Amino acid sequence: AQRVTQPEKLLSVFKGAPVELKCNYSYSGSPELFWYVQYSRQRLQLLLRHISRESIKGFTADLNKGETSFHLKKPFAQEEDSAMYYCALSTRDDKIIFGKGTRLHILP
Amino acid sequence: KAGVTQTPRYLIKTRGQQVTLSCSPISGHRSVSWYQQTPGQGLQFLFEYFSETQRNKGNFPGRFSGRQFSNSRSEMNVSTLELGDSALYLCASSLVGDQGYTFGSGTRLTVV
Repeated sequence: AQRVTQPEKLLSVFKGAPVELKCNYSYSGSPELFWYVQYSRQRLQLLLRHISRESIKGFTADLNKGETSFHLKKPFAQEEDSAMYYCALSTRDDKIIFGKGTRLHILP
Repeated sequence: KAGVTQTPRYLIKTRGQQVTLSCSPISGHRSVSWYQQTPGQGLQFLFEYFSETQRNKGNFPGRFSGRQFSNSRSEMNVSTLELGDSALYLCASSLVGDQGYTFGSGTRLTVV
């Protein structure tokens, strides 16, 4: 079954501390994985794609096929990182499956 | 260039009515997907259109339907509305799926 799991509904982190948002997937084949972010009162937007190996706003994510994970990391959290984060998987036929999301709350 | 535009932004309907939501993708994008977002279920995939053809469909009842026009604009229709259909409906467009999607601001539907 194709599935994306984000085990934490809410993650609270102090400003300056490292952040790790967990994402695990289930997919038979080579997945295309993404992280999307939704800031308060803004539209959902693409944060990064695993195929690009990007670092956006200090965030990186590495695909670990052995652990079927695509965790999102940032070494030092900033207050403006507070948002809802969704991990997503794109299937061979271009369907995107989203996790239920993790709300990241950066504490001052 | 203009982003993904969804109209209307807000809608209030009564149970049993039907509703049509509209989505204009980014110019040149041929893939349009629709999602339902609720606090309890998160983002759930409704369907995806590419070049006027429905390529994928999620696990929603037949009351939910859609179509795509030759200019890639898409509409989503929900018939016989139920209270549980209250949600934010998001449209997203892409050149091809593996490039990631650009989302619209959504249409917030409230069924009373």
